[in-house]
Amino acid sequence: EVQLVESGGVVVQPGGSLRLSCAASGFTFDDSAMHWVRQAPGKGLEWVSLISWDGDSTYYADSVKGRFTISRDNSKKSLYLQMNSLRAEDTALYYCAKGGDSSGYPFDYWGQGTLVTVSS
Amino acid sequence: SSELTQDPAVSVALGQTVRITCQGDSLRSYYASWYQQKPGQAPVLVIYGKNKRPSGIPDRFSGSSSGNTASLTITGAQAEDEADYYCNSRDSSGNHCVFGTGTKVTVL
Repeated sequence: EVQLVESGGVVVQPGGSLRLSCAASGFTFDDSAMHWVRQAPGKGLEWVSLISWDGDSTYYADSVKGRFTISRDNSKKSLYLQMNSLRAEDTALYYCAKGGDSSGYPFDYWGQGTLVTVSS
Repeated sequence: SSELTQDPAVSVALGQTVRITCQGDSLRSYYASWYQQKPGQAPVLVIYGKNKRPSGIPDRFSGSSSGNTASLTITGAQAEDEADYYCNSRDSSGNHCVFGTGTKVTVL
């Protein structure tokens, strides 16, 4: 059974930093591209970032580029999102999602999310 | 533009058919995928590629595409299909993607 379990979400002040983690199991992690997707309270889904199976290629939404860094440790079957210079508009439930094929799409499995609140 | 536009809400009588549409320029180049999200739950993939369903998704869900519009059809809607539905597609760069604005489906 595929499982994705996010952690690390907390309340953080504007301008602060945070690292989210996603622990994967039940599939060949180092064969899979991985994504972060977020959802602000009461709002729709927003794609955040993609990392290739080997970590060599990374992509970011314009809204987070230069502030967030996606990474992975295949030996630990873990995905990460380093979030710096956090803003109120980054408040959201952050999901990690598995990429379905070699292109990294679609998102065929999702975690339950971890809540990040940016507030003073 | 890399936007995907959906109708905010649609309703359907129990057992009837409803079609949800998603419009955007990127759909001329890439297939849409569709996600169902029920309150308090993570999204679930229901349709991807050229009308493909993941294991466990009922065959009353189907997808189609024409020009800049992708559609998700629920044939014989059930009470458990009441949810928010989001389309998703890669953008013109191929390396980013975008979600649609979402459609709330109410089963009457």
